[in-house]
Amino acid sequence: EVQLVESGGGWVQPGRSLRLSCKGSGFVFADYPMSWFRQAPGKGLECVAFIGLKDGDVTTQYAASVKGRFSISRDDSKSIAYLQLNSLKSEDTGVYYCARDDFGDGFDIWGQGTVVTVSS
Amino acid sequence: EIVMTQSPATLSVSPGDTATLSCRASQSIGRDLAWYQQKPGQAPRLLIFDAFTRATDTPARFRGSGSGTEFTLTISSLQSEDFAIYHCQQYNVWPYTFGQGMELEVK
Repeated sequence: EVQLVESGGGWVQPGRSLRLSCKGSGFVFADYPMSWFRQAPGKGLECVAFIGLKDGDVTTQYAASVKGRFSISRDDSKSIAYLQLNSLKSEDTGVYYCARDDFGDGFDIWGQGTVVTVSS
Repeated sequence: EIVMTQSPATLSVSPGDTATLSCRASQSIGRDLAWYQQKPGQAPRLLIFDAFTRATDTPARFRGSGSGTEFTLTISSLQSEDFAIYHCQQYNVWPYTFGQGMELEVK
């Protein structure tokens, strides 16, 4: 079965850090770009980070709201994509999803999400 | 960034009827548009990509159309499992952006 499983969410105080993981199975993880999305409570979806394939210099992109604070990476040997969240703010609270980028055919596989709560 | 606007915010339709959901982009995105369905407590599910191509397992009653800046998702013969939130997303240019979501509710 093709699936993605996120982990690493939790409660954290403002200014602290967290690392999220997204493990893929059932497909060749190295063959697909990956992205992280988030959804604040009762709000819409936001694409926060993208990572391309590891053929030479890997391409990364970030939403303006997280640029300089979040960092996306991947370890294809473990079929895992990471999202490092630094200098967290209350507005970073939400459900974080990873998803597989099907090369311009939308994001076809999503994880179940992991909840991040930033609060003092 | 490209702003995606969905209308209406909430649509009330009776089971068996047809629902028409609209999505507008602030600039042309060609056909780089996807539609997702999301139910409470669940991750989004890809329904349509490239504006009109149904994803694997998407029923034929879901039809996407449009190009440029105006897009439509039409759901015919509404089933109980179709009442959910629908999101449109452009992936023409980074940052990939979503509409605010549209709730399809039972009338």
